[in-house]
Amino acid sequence: EDQVTQSPEALRLQEGESSSLNCSYTVSGLRGLFWYRQDPGKGPEFLFTLYSAGEEKEKERLKATLTKKESFLHITAPKPEDSATYLCAVPDRAGNMLTFGGGTRLMVKP
Amino acid sequence: GAGVSQSPSNKVTEKGKDVELRCDPISGHTALYWYRQSLGQGLEFLIYFQGNSAPDKSGLPSDRFSAERTGGSVSTLTIQRTQQEDSAVYLCASSLGRSTYEQYFGPGTRLTVT
Repeated sequence: EDQVTQSPEALRLQEGESSSLNCSYTVSGLRGLFWYRQDPGKGPEFLFTLYSAGEEKEKERLKATLTKKESFLHITAPKPEDSATYLCAVPDRAGNMLTFGGGTRLMVKP
Repeated sequence: GAGVSQSPSNKVTEKGKDVELRCDPISGHTALYWYRQSLGQGLEFLIYFQGNSAPDKSGLPSDRFSAERTGGSVSTLTIQRTQQEDSAVYLCASSLGRSTYEQYFGPGTRLTVT
């Protein structure tokens, strides 16, 4: 059974204080790893897909990286508007669903 | 273009009543998913539709839950004889194909069973 674990559960940062969020996974053959951002009262918003170890993708202050066992979401010089819950997920073997981690709630204070 | 839409945005119902939740996927997306998000449980898969294939219902928590997708587009999730533990946000997503493609989520329907 696929498992996805995110840490920390919550992270408080000062504006400009860079940090990383972790997503560890156990799957029977990685078929991609997805990062989403979710704001309160809204559905998850797609950020990145990573398919192979060593792959990196960037979007504004966010950079996602992938190894054989985990993925990191690096946030450089965050702003208050980056505050949200960040979710990672992996597809199952059949390609019928995503298994999500519990999320990291990020709070960036000005 | 338009994203995934869901209705209603909020639904309050009494225990034992039936409810129907609607999802309009992105035009051209053949795959449609329903997930449930509740406090302390995270996002849980419920059901998956792909084109004209038989749906994957493996995530439905009980036989009170059912879903259909008409004409390969709009989907309805029905919960019969609602229970308080059914209270959650029900999210719909669509994608171009199987779950190896990125899924785009709607805003969700918040269901409260009193």
